[in-house]
Amino acid sequence: EILMTQSPATLSVSPGEGATLSCRASQNINSNLAWYQQKPGQAPRLLIYGASTRATGIPARFSGSGSGTEFTLTISSVQSEDFAIYYCQQYNNYWRFGQGTKVEIK
Amino acid sequence: QVQLVQSGAELKKPGASVRISCEASGYTFTRYYMHWVRQTPGQGPEWMGMINPVGGTAYYAQDFQGRVTMTSDTSTSTVHMELSSLTSEDTAVYYCARGVDWLYMDVWGEGTMVTVSS
Repeated sequence: EILMTQSPATLSVSPGEGATLSCRASQNINSNLAWYQQKPGQAPRLLIYGASTRATGIPARFSGSGSGTEFTLTISSVQSEDFAIYYCQQYNNYWRFGQGTKVEIK
Repeated sequence: QVQLVQSGAELKKPGASVRISCEASGYTFTRYYMHWVRQTPGQGPEWMGMINPVGGTAYYAQDFQGRVTMTSDTSTSTVHMELSSLTSEDTAVYYCARGVDWLYMDVWGEGTMVTVSS
């Protein structure tokens, strides 16, 4: 069973600032990692897959990096519509999500 | 456009079963897997299982083995998820999500709220 740990739980950011979210897997998952964004009352939305490939329609300010067990989602300049919860998910061995990082307005 | 439309909210008593549907449109139904994911308030999403619409082979998460059944109907491009022996801990929003091969989930349904209460 692969566990996914996200940090921090909450990230306070001012609009226009950058944000860095971390995700750690309990064992090697290669690049089999996705990032999702979820806003209140909505379903998760795919942002990144393959650890670093942006999904269709996702702005370039979102970027993903990492492989193995350590991964990062970076938002280069946080916009008002980016305040949400972000989940990482491994799909190397079945599927499991992290507990999420909430990006809130500072 | 690609769309997954789920059935409406459900209120069930403890011990009952619930069956949720997910109708796909805008793409070739048989070319993608379909996952079911649930989410309780304040928690991360939890994967429940996946079904291959072609042939109906399903793969269930260990936590739901014996209690969940996923089926597909290619004539209506619809998948169903039935969860039995409900308890209050099954109160959650249930999502269907399209699976790209054995990889990520690229399109999600709007969610179905299931409330289990006596």
